[in-house]
Amino acid sequence: AQRVTQPEKLLSVFKGAPVELKCNYSYSGSPELFWYVQYSRQRLQLLLRHISRESIKGFTADLNKGETSFHLKKPFAQEEDSAMYYCALLKAAGNKLTFGGGTRVLVKP
Amino acid sequence: GAGVSQTPSNKVTEKGKYVELRCDPISGHTALYWYRQSLGQGPEFLIYFQGTGAADDSGLPNDRFFAVRPEGSVSTLKIQRTERGDSAVYLCASSLRASGRYLNEQFFGPGTRLTVL
Repeated sequence: AQRVTQPEKLLSVFKGAPVELKCNYSYSGSPELFWYVQYSRQRLQLLLRHISRESIKGFTADLNKGETSFHLKKPFAQEEDSAMYYCALLKAAGNKLTFGGGTRVLVKP
Repeated sequence: GAGVSQTPSNKVTEKGKYVELRCDPISGHTALYWYRQSLGQGPEFLIYFQGTGAADDSGLPNDRFFAVRPEGSVSTLKIQRTERGDSAVYLCASSLRASGRYLNEQFFGPGTRLTVL
């Protein structure tokens, strides 16, 4: 069965510092990977997906199939980036998302 | 337009009672999903509907849990004989299609926080 691991429960960084959220997955096929974000008192929303290869709100994530990782990075964190971040996997031709346990990011002024 | 809505936002019940949680998906979305999120964990898949039928109910923990989507729009998650371990946030999501690049993006509702005393 597929599995998503986010090893850090909490990341605390200062404004302007780089931030990297780790995500590792186990799945034998070709998955689709996502990062979801949940800001305080808001619903879970899609931040980015690996197939789009976009930078959203300054965040990027590269799928590394060799290391089975999909780490999320931002070179200069902002206070508004403080939120819960979830990495999620969708199996090839699948429908249900498998989520990691989440990482709370706290950006201090 | 309106996003996915869920009612009630909070539900407190006693052990052994029956509860129903409702989800209104985005209009026109054919696929609907239920997830459960326990404290400190990520969401876990429960069941997925394509139209009116449950296409995958492999995540339902036991036969106390049941969900319907009779007209292919609104869905109700039903929990019988609730237990304290059922306490969690129940999330609903919908997507335009079940598959297809960018068509399968899941949009989440605000969730229903269920507390079983």
